[in-house]
Amino acid sequence: QSVLTQPPSVSAAPGQKVTISCSGSSSNIENNYVSWFQQLPGAAPKLLIYENNKRPSGIPDRFSGSQSGTSATLGITGLQTGDEADYYCATWDTSLIAVIFGGGTKLTVL
Amino acid sequence: QVHLVESGGGVVQPGRSLRLSCVASGFTFRDFGMHWVRQAPGKGLEWVAVISYNGTYKYYGDSVKGRFTISRDNSKNTLYVQMNSLRAEDTAVYYCAKDGGGTGPSDFDYWGQGTLVTVSS
Repeated sequence: QSVLTQPPSVSAAPGQKVTISCSGSSSNIENNYVSWFQQLPGAAPKLLIYENNKRPSGIPDRFSGSQSGTSATLGITGLQTGDEADYYCATWDTSLIAVIFGGGTKLTVL
Repeated sequence: QVHLVESGGGVVQPGRSLRLSCVASGFTFRDFGMHWVRQAPGKGLEWVAVISYNGTYKYYGDSVKGRFTISRDNSKNTLYVQMNSLRAEDTAVYYCAKDGGGTGPSDFDYWGQGTLVTVSS
């Protein structure tokens, strides 16, 4: 069981918006930056969001991140079939002295 | 552009050892921390270890602490992980990942393609 809690799956129609939550605690999300990763089937993970809400170059602004208290959220607007993937949040846990990942959320674009 | 190429995976018996390598190119390797992250078949991502840019600091996930050792050779642009006392639950694809260099401790901005380690008798 992951220290960071994500919903196992979310779904939405093409063109719609979806949010993926990542719930943690004061030892991780509340006091450390959160990153989000996209893993397409059969591929290595890819950084989507870093430092809670920043996008690396090349990541479209359809992807956004936010953090409030002990939770973080990934938002994806204008859903495309190519967005179907697993999404993971990650951060540092000060108590564990380790990087921790959420359990992952499978996004289905119906 | 940045490339990370892992190697050294394979089938190994429980209790034996294996060393993985990750050759980096396209950036100044000695300036960045590096991580190992693994993914068991059909499962999520699990962080394994990190090493600072100069090798001074090393941290490990609880499941590998005392069995795995991360190291680097900045003269060869290569990251390593020595895995001892391997268990069936260590079976996974092992990725090396580059630290983004910012203030976020989990900003892995580039990943390798991964190498599969299978621990089985």
